Amino acid sequence: DSGVTQTPKHLITATGQRVTLRCSPRSGDLSVYWYQQSLDQGLQFLIQYYNGEERAKGNILERFSAQQFPDLHSELNLSSLELGDSALYFCASSGLGAGGEQYFGPGTRLTVT
Amino acid sequence: DQQVKQNSPSLSVQEGRISILNCDYTNSMFDYFLWYKKYPAEGPTFLISISSIKDKNEDGRFTVFLNKSAKHLSLHIVPSQPGDSAVYFCAASDNHSGNTGKLIFGQGTTLQVKP
Repeated sequence: DSGVTQTPKHLITATGQRVTLRCSPRSGDLSVYWYQQSLDQGLQFLIQYYNGEERAKGNILERFSAQQFPDLHSELNLSSLELGDSALYFCASSGLGAGGEQYFGPGTRLTVT
Repeated sequence: DQQVKQNSPSLSVQEGRISILNCDYTNSMFDYFLWYKKYPAEGPTFLISISSIKDKNEDGRFTVFLNKSAKHLSLHIVPSQPGDSAVYFCAASDNHSGNTGKLIFGQGTTLQVKP
C-alpha cells in the first residue's frame, strides 16, 4: 500500500460527459502528479501540483483540468469525453517539488462508451 | 520523440537465475532514474532509483547500473523469483533548475519468472 488513494476505481461513462477523478496523496506529501496510461502505452505525464499551485503541465488536453485543494487532495476533471480518453489514470505523490521517488495510487480505469 | 526506451517488450527467465532489464534514454539532462514494478490492476510500485552522480545502487536482490556515456541503465534481479513476474517500467527525470521532477516513462518490459 503506497498510501496514495484514488477514487473511483472504475468509471464508465458516455461520450460528451464530464467526470471527476479524486486523489489523496500520502500523508505529508505536497506534490501531486497525474499520469495517463492508454492501451499499449507507457505512462504519460499530465500535470503536477505542488502545495496547491500548478507546477508543470505535460501533454494534457484543454478539455482536462486539475486542482489541488488546501487539504492537498487533488481532482482531475475530464470533460467532453471522447472514446480515446478511455485509459487508466494514475495519481502519484512525493514530498518534494522536484526530484525523488513518486508513489502511485491504484489508478482509476475510465471507459468511455 | 520517445526519450526513454525499453526495447524488450518481454523477458522470460528461470527461477533462481538473473533477470536483466534494460533501458536507454536520449535526454542528457536526465539526472535521476527509477524503476517501477507493476502488477495488473495495481498502480506502479517504486523499486529502486539512482542519481546520475552514481553508477550503481543496490537494494537487496535489486541492483541498478547506470552508464551515462552510453545513456543506458539496467536493472538486475538476483535471484529471480516467481513473484517478480510483473511489468517493469524505467523512468527518468530532469531536476535541473526550472524543472519539476515529472517522470518520463519507458514502455515497460513484461518479466516472467518460471518456477
